[in-house]
Amino acid sequence: EPEVTQTPSHQVTQMGQEVILRCVPISNHLYFYWYRQILGQKVEFLVSFYNNEISEKSEIFDDQFSVERPDGSNFTLKIRSTKLEDSAMYFCASSEVSGTYNEQFFGPGTRLTVL
Amino acid sequence: GQNIDQPTEMTATEGAIVQINCTYQTSGFNGLFWYQQHAGEAPTFLSYNVLDGLEEKGRFSSFLSRSKGYSYLLLKELQMKDSASYLCAVPLNNQGGKLIFGQGTELSVKP
Repeated sequence: EPEVTQTPSHQVTQMGQEVILRCVPISNHLYFYWYRQILGQKVEFLVSFYNNEISEKSEIFDDQFSVERPDGSNFTLKIRSTKLEDSAMYFCASSEVSGTYNEQFFGPGTRLTVL
Repeated sequence: GQNIDQPTEMTATEGAIVQINCTYQTSGFNGLFWYQQHAGEAPTFLSYNVLDGLEEKGRFSSFLSRSKGYSYLLLKELQMKDSASYLCAVPLNNQGGKLIFGQGTELSVKP
């Protein structure tokens, strides 16, 4: 069964460093998303991406964040200068269609720890 | 604005039935999702409701009342493996279809 994959599973970094989180969405999906979940808190939307551009972003997704689809399979989230509060689980998701019915398939997540 | 409320935690006994409630206030409505999330893992899809009524899928059923802004997830014949967090989520009415999640209900199934 097709699935969303993410690497690495765990990333530890120093405050101020840049990190790139990688995702391979399901191959025939067109819509891609990043969410994050701080420990003990709810899943929060960061950004959605379609047709090689950002569709929507939340207020969390400030200038320190960027997304890219560098080739036909990968979808990346970059944090330029990490802060302690960026420590969270980051989930990538993808879906076939947007609009009303939009089952999003989630990857296993990358746990980011900023020291 | 958008708001989704769920109980923080619930406890039930193996073999029993449990109902997890969710109330929502959104500026538009495009259905409601339930996801299951085991600790340290990704959310996995359980159900989607867009019309009022009950949708049954094996041991799990989901109910929606749009007029009341209310949904519930019903789990029957509880098993230990059902211990997880259950997330209520609504997609917003715009391109990109982002999901707004509730806090999640942590269900503990006891022997």
